[in-house]
Amino acid sequence: EVRLVESGGGLVQPGGSLRLSCEVSGYTFSSFWMSWVRQAPGKGLEWVANIKQDGSEKNYVDSVKGRFTISRDNAKNSLFLEMSTLSAEDTAVYFCARGPGVGYYAMDFWGQGSTVTVSS
Amino acid sequence: DIQMTQSPSSLSASVGDRITITCRASQTITYLNWYQQKPGKVPKVLIHAASSLQDGVPSRFSGSGSGTDFTLTISSLAPEDFATYYCQQSYSIPPTFGQGTKVEMK
Repeated sequence: EVRLVESGGGLVQPGGSLRLSCEVSGYTFSSFWMSWVRQAPGKGLEWVANIKQDGSEKNYVDSVKGRFTISRDNAKNSLFLEMSTLSAEDTAVYFCARGPGVGYYAMDFWGQGSTVTVSS
Repeated sequence: DIQMTQSPSSLSASVGDRITITCRASQTITYLNWYQQKPGKVPKVLIHAASSLQDGVPSRFSGSGSGTDFTLTISSLAPEDFATYYCQQSYSIPPTFGQGTKVEMK
């Protein structure tokens, strides 16, 4: 069974930092691109970033470039999202998902989400 | 970035109805996916590459279209289909979603 489990969310002050993790099981993690997708309260879905199988290629949505860093540890079957200089606009549920978000196949497996709240 | 526009934003329907949701891209795209999301739940992919049914998805769901105009059709609405549906272009970075279509019970 494929499982993606996020952790690391919480309440953070504006300007602060947070690191999300996504632990994967049930398939060969190192064989797939991975993505982060977020959803602000009551809003739609927004793709945030993706990373190639070996970590050699990363892409970001413009609104997080220079503030967020996606990474992975294939030995630990884990995906990460380092977030800094957070603002209220970053408040959202953050999902990790299998797949790059581009190409023939969709993002086919998703974690349950980790809630990030940016507030003073 | 490619803008994705869905219509309608919401619709009311009854069990057994046939419904169609439209998604329009701001430029020609090759790949288009459809997701279903229920309140408090994780998005679930229904269709990839515009018309390919994801494994395990009931055949009452179908997708069609090309270029800039795409549709998701549910041939006979089931009780578990009341949810919000999102299209997503997977043609170019950044992948972008439509704003969602909420299917509510009439």
